[in-house]
Amino acid sequence: SQQGEEDPQALSIQEGENATMNCSYKTSINNLQWYRQNSGRGLVHLILIRSNEREKHSGRLRVTLDTSKKSSSLLITASRAADTASYFCATDVRTDKLIFGTGTRLQVFP
Amino acid sequence: EAGVTQFPSHSVIEKGQTVTLRCDPISGHDNLYWYRRVMGKEIKFLLHFVKESKQDESGMPNNRFLAERTGGTYSTLKVQPAELEDSGVYFCASSRLAYEQYFGPGTRLTVT
Repeated sequence: SQQGEEDPQALSIQEGENATMNCSYKTSINNLQWYRQNSGRGLVHLILIRSNEREKHSGRLRVTLDTSKKSSSLLITASRAADTASYFCATDVRTDKLIFGTGTRLQVFP
Repeated sequence: EAGVTQFPSHSVIEKGQTVTLRCDPISGHDNLYWYRRVMGKEIKFLLHFVKESKQDESGMPNNRFLAERTGGTYSTLKVQPAELEDSGVYFCASSRLAYEQYFGPGTRLTVT
């Protein structure tokens, strides 16, 4: 069964604006992670938030986690054209395998 | 430190042919994972090695897929015979700790 679903599927914004992506999942988790994939490249790990954490910051990234709603959000502030990529959330339950969502395609226009 | 590398970056084969994908993990990482993304859908787990042993192969779609990690270093994923629905991007990841997985650039497989 699919664990993560991202919303929206696609997002287009202007440079300098903020981008918010949401992720929902179905079962209890240990950790939730966000990854970025630039076109034609591999997945780059952005940030990990543990199930007992509610918010985490890393540079221009802010991640929130609401385990009661089984959802997470990724906020990118002051976006740049270089942020154009697909963003995926991934959860791990009790095993090592990550379960990914379908991703959000972010387009940042200069 | 070199990252996870995958070869080839892109492979185009005909239905019924065989393809072997290779993954070289980060040195010292005992854990190695294979994932794939098919037809723009979500990235799905295929299997997990700990050193040379298969820890979890619950995501392998069928017996046309064979993964090996002889010696606990690099891994290969063979698809034989390839079908059209096998087209997609195959990712490899490695880790020292279970949840900190480092991904390679992926191999784009096109089956015609």
